[in-house]
Amino acid sequence: DSGVTQTPKHLITATGQRVTLRCSPRSGDLSVYWYQQSLDQGLQFLIQYYNGEERAKGNILERFSAQQFPDLHSELNLSSLELGDSALYFCASSVTGRTDTQYFGPGTRLTVL
Amino acid sequence: AQSVSQHNHHVILSEAASLELGCNYSYGGTVNLFWYVQYPGQHLQLLLKYFSGDPLVKGIKGFEAEFIKSKFSFNLRKPSVQWSDTAEYFCAVRLHYGGSQGNLIFGKGTKLSVKP
Repeated sequence: DSGVTQTPKHLITATGQRVTLRCSPRSGDLSVYWYQQSLDQGLQFLIQYYNGEERAKGNILERFSAQQFPDLHSELNLSSLELGDSALYFCASSVTGRTDTQYFGPGTRLTVL
Repeated sequence: AQSVSQHNHHVILSEAASLELGCNYSYGGTVNLFWYVQYPGQHLQLLLKYFSGDPLVKGIKGFEAEFIKSKFSFNLRKPSVQWSDTAEYFCAVRLHYGGSQGNLIFGKGTKLSVKP
């Protein structure tokens, strides 16, 4: 157990819908990262937050957004869902978000039908 | 664009065989290097990491990796695998540029199946 929690574990929804994935970082970690793992693209970095502010952006679609709240938990919002958005979404956290190690949560498996 | 290549998609070994998984990256600057493991149905766990110093890094569960800067490689090794090592292994690189560190770039992963 890495100490990073994600809810829900599984999510099944339809195309065009909107979902919210939640992540709670390890105690003391200020930085949260979101990654998408799909069969064709592998593990891809989406976005990073540090202490409530966006720090870095990767291959995140405009239909996706995220935020980090004052209690440091983070939410990833996915809207206008398409079949291709079906994937495992991982959250990771680290203390400073710079040179330190990232610890990963168990992931949320999203299935878009 | 910077990338990480893992040469083998699927490796099948018998117990007690030696393991070497290849990882190469394309970036000429300073990097941090990582190997993560994902056991079936579980989250990514850190096996080992290289930041600086001795290029031979020892990790958990008997794994080690060697950073060869001239070859842009960070291969993972284990002298004798066990059935419990069956998992998917990911190499990841963090780039250092412009005074700030970049985020992790992952390889596509190598599935290891160990036959008992």
